[in-house]
Amino acid sequence: GAVVSQHPSRVICKSGTSVKIECRSLDFQATTMFWYRQFPKQSLMLMATSNEGSKATYEQGVEKDKFLINHASLTLSTLTVTSAHPEDSSFYICSVGASGGVADTQYFGPGTRLTVL
Amino acid sequence: GESVGLHLPTLSVQEGDNSIINCAYSNSASDYFIWYKQESGKGPQFIIDIRSNMDKRQGQRVTVLLNKTVKHLSLQIAATQPGDSAVYFCADNLTGGGNKLTFGTGTQLKVEL
Repeated sequence: GAVVSQHPSRVICKSGTSVKIECRSLDFQATTMFWYRQFPKQSLMLMATSNEGSKATYEQGVEKDKFLINHASLTLSTLTVTSAHPEDSSFYICSVGASGGVADTQYFGPGTRLTVL
Repeated sequence: GESVGLHLPTLSVQEGDNSIINCAYSNSASDYFIWYKQESGKGPQFIIDIRSNMDKRQGQRVTVLLNKTVKHLSLQIAATQPGDSAVYFCADNLTGGGNKLTFGTGTQLKVEL
């Protein structure tokens, strides 16, 4: 499967600051990447679908102006949490997968632990 | 809306025993199913998948069974080892659905020595 990295692995920031998380597909040209968040002892919740060269598609209830997604190349998607608040503290995970058509699997990055003080 | 749920939140097994983790899904149009393993503080790791034109698929020490009649999915782990301790998620996908996965709530597998 695809190898996916994320940076940073964990970040602590002050309330009101912005944090950028990078997701890289190391061996797979990903036209589509996905961003999830996961609270402790809960399942993964899809936040948005990141499409290379176009705007991301956000799930219902996810603020696009707060969670900025940029997918400028086939190997890199970034998630920026703007004006972070303590309630944004979570585990953010990206994945890469097929761009549509036949349903297929997704391969996940190691995740980024965000703590907002 | 669609839901993918698990019957048991925690499963404890003795080392060497077989484990069975169950999952129910609600969307009869789902045609692709995946099992992931997630260790603490890490991202989900792909274990095995199955498409709806199959009812059984085997991997190394793992078997996935799909019963489309009752919309039920199971993961069997043979000779469970301490390294199998993790949370296991089932997820389903739908052709034409933008390759978006819907995850179940997860089952914590604990392997007792």
